[in-house]
Formats: sequence, structure tokens, C-alpha cells
Amino acid sequence: GAVVSQHPSWVICKSGTSVKIECRSLDFQATTMFWYRQFPKQSLMLMATSNEGSKATYEQGVEKDKFLINHASLTLSTLTVTSAHPEDSSFYICSARSRGITEAFFGQGTRLTVV
Amino acid sequence: GQNIDQPTEMTATEGAIVQINCTYQTSGFNGLFWYQQHAGEAPTFLSYNVLDGLEEKGRFSSFLSRSKGYSYLLLKELQMKDSASYLCAPMDSNYQLIWGAGTKLIIKP
Repeated sequence: GAVVSQHPSWVICKSGTSVKIECRSLDFQATTMFWYRQFPKQSLMLMATSNEGSKATYEQGVEKDKFLINHASLTLSTLTVTSAHPEDSSFYICSARSRGITEAFFGQGTRLTVV
Repeated sequence: GQNIDQPTEMTATEGAIVQINCTYQTSGFNGLFWYQQHAGEAPTFLSYNVLDGLEEKGRFSSFLSRSKGYSYLLLKELQMKDSASYLCAPMDSNYQLIWGAGTKLIIKP
């Protein structure tokens, strides 16, 4: 199957700093990328959907100025958590889909801990 | 609204068979996915059903009834490594996956 690489796998940062998470499709063109957040024992929560070359569409309740998403190429999308706070600590997962393909492929996820 | 209903937790014995049920309501329907998620890891794809019926893939099978808004995942010859959460995720008319909290499956020796 297609491979999506997410980096870093885990990160610890100080409160008030920013953290960037990368999501790369290694062997296909990702026309659409999805960013999720998952708290322990809860379902995946879609944060935003981005199409290559367009601004991301954020879900209700997700602050677009806090969670900056860039999808500048067909193989790379980034999520930047700005001015992180302890309540932003969570598991962030990206998935990528190619045009005309129904299945989306997941990255490995990033465990963010804000201290 | 859109929602998913799965049991929160199930327990089964190694070597046995277990069926995880899922009922769903979505705005439109473009198929249903089952994913496996181990603790601390991202989901991994198990199956995709878009037509009614049973799809078999090795030890795992998935069934769909669109008219009933119902699907199940059948796991045979259970192994300890099958202990994980199983996520039923239908796709709505916008091709967005709708996620529930999943079913935590505990396998006992």
C-alpha cells in the first residue's frame, strides 16, 4: 500500500513555543490531506482538510490561527501548533488521499506533550 | 446528525472468533472502512465495503448492509496481537470519514 511518513513521532515542547509536524506521501501524490487529533480513549477528531495549493478547511471549533496548515506540494503538508499550551498535548495524525482514490493512508502519528 | 454505534469493549479468548458490530447514520454514503488501532499508534486499514455482502481477507471478514446501516467485522483464530481498538468509519457524501470511539478488543489466553 501507499506510504505516508509523519515526523516527528513524538515531541516535547515548552508552553508558549511552536511545534511543526510534517506529513509526507512517499510514493503517491496526495491531493488531499487530513489532520486529526486524538485524546486518550477517544475517537479521532478531524481538525482540518487541505487540498494541494488551497487554504485548509477547518472544522468547527478548531482555531485556524493556532493550528496552521500548509499544503504547498503534492507530497508534503505541515501542521504548526502555535503558542502551544498543555491542553494541546495530544496525538496528532495525518492521512493523505490521492485524487480518484477513496482510501486515505495514515501517517504514524505524532505524540505532542506540552510542559 | 451523523453517528456511529459500536460496543465500547469486548473480550475474547485466543483462538476463538469474535464479531464486532457497528451501526451508523451518515449524510450520504460512500462505503465503510474498518481500521485497527493499537494503543499509541495510528490506525491501519483492514477493509473497505461499498456494496452489500461479505468481504473476506484472511482471518478478517467484513460485512455490510446499507439498507440497515449495519456492518460487522469478524475476526477468526484470534491471536494475542489482535488486542487493539477496532474503528468502524463510514464515509459520507463528501467523502469524509466519520469516526466513532471504536471497540477495544481484549484477547485472553
